Amino acid sequence: DIVMTQSPDSLAVSLGERATINCKSSQSILYSSNNKNYLAWYQQKAGQPPKLLIYWASTRESGVPDRFSGSGSGTDFTLTITSLQAEDVAVYYCQQYFSTPFTFGPGTTVHIK
Amino acid sequence: QVQLRQWGAGLLKPSETMSLTCAVYGGTFSDYYWTWIRQSPGKGLEWIGEINHSGSSTYNPSLKNRVAISVDTSKNQFSLRLTSLTAADTAVYYCTRATVDTLATGARWVDNWGQGTLVTVSS
Repeated sequence: DIVMTQSPDSLAVSLGERATINCKSSQSILYSSNNKNYLAWYQQKAGQPPKLLIYWASTRESGVPDRFSGSGSGTDFTLTITSLQAEDVAVYYCQQYFSTPFTFGPGTTVHIK
Repeated sequence: QVQLRQWGAGLLKPSETMSLTCAVYGGTFSDYYWTWIRQSPGKGLEWIGEINHSGSSTYNPSLKNRVAISVDTSKNQFSLRLTSLTAADTAVYYCTRATVDTLATGARWVDNWGQGTLVTVSS
C-alpha cells in the first residue's frame, strides 16, 4: 500500500494569513503516461463528511474558492490556503488514487490563531 | 446535484454482520464508481472498496474476505456487507461517488459523500 503522511499535525494561522499543509507519499504517484499526479485534497469540518477541494494535485473542484491551491509532483505535495478565513477551520486530508487500496493521510487540523 | 442517502443498523454485536445501503439521487449512475470509506478515531479515513455499474468490484486487502459490495442499478443503489465484526470495525461509514477521468485513464477520485452512518460494535 502507498503510505501518505502529512505535516504538520495541526497549525494555527491568523485570519488573512497563509496556511501551508504538506503531504508526502511513500512512492511516486506521478503517472508517466499522462504526466499527472494522482492526488486529491479534502476538507472536513466538524460533524460533516469530507469535501473534495482539489484533484490531479492542483485542479480545483468546481465551486472551491481560489484561495485554495495545490502544488507538487512525484512524492511531495502542498495545499496552500492564502488569506485564511474563519470558515476554513477544518481538518485537511490528502489522498492518493494512483493504486488501490486508495489511501489517505492522517489529516492536518487548521485553527485560527 | 447528486445526493447520496445511506442507511443501516448502527449498533451491532461482535461476530455479527453489518449491512449498509446507499441510494443515489441525480446524475447518471453508470458514469461513476461507487465506494465505501470509513472513518475511525484510531485509523483515520480508510478506503473499503468500490464497485461500478456492471458489478466489477475492488476491495481493500486489509479487510480480507469479510467485505462485499453489491450494486442494484434498477434502484440506483449500492450496498456494503461486512462480516465477523469486531470492536475495531466501529467507525462512521460513508458511501461516496467517484468521478472517472474522462480521458479513460481509469483514474477516479471521490467527489461526493453521503452523510455517514455511525456503526458501533459492542457486546
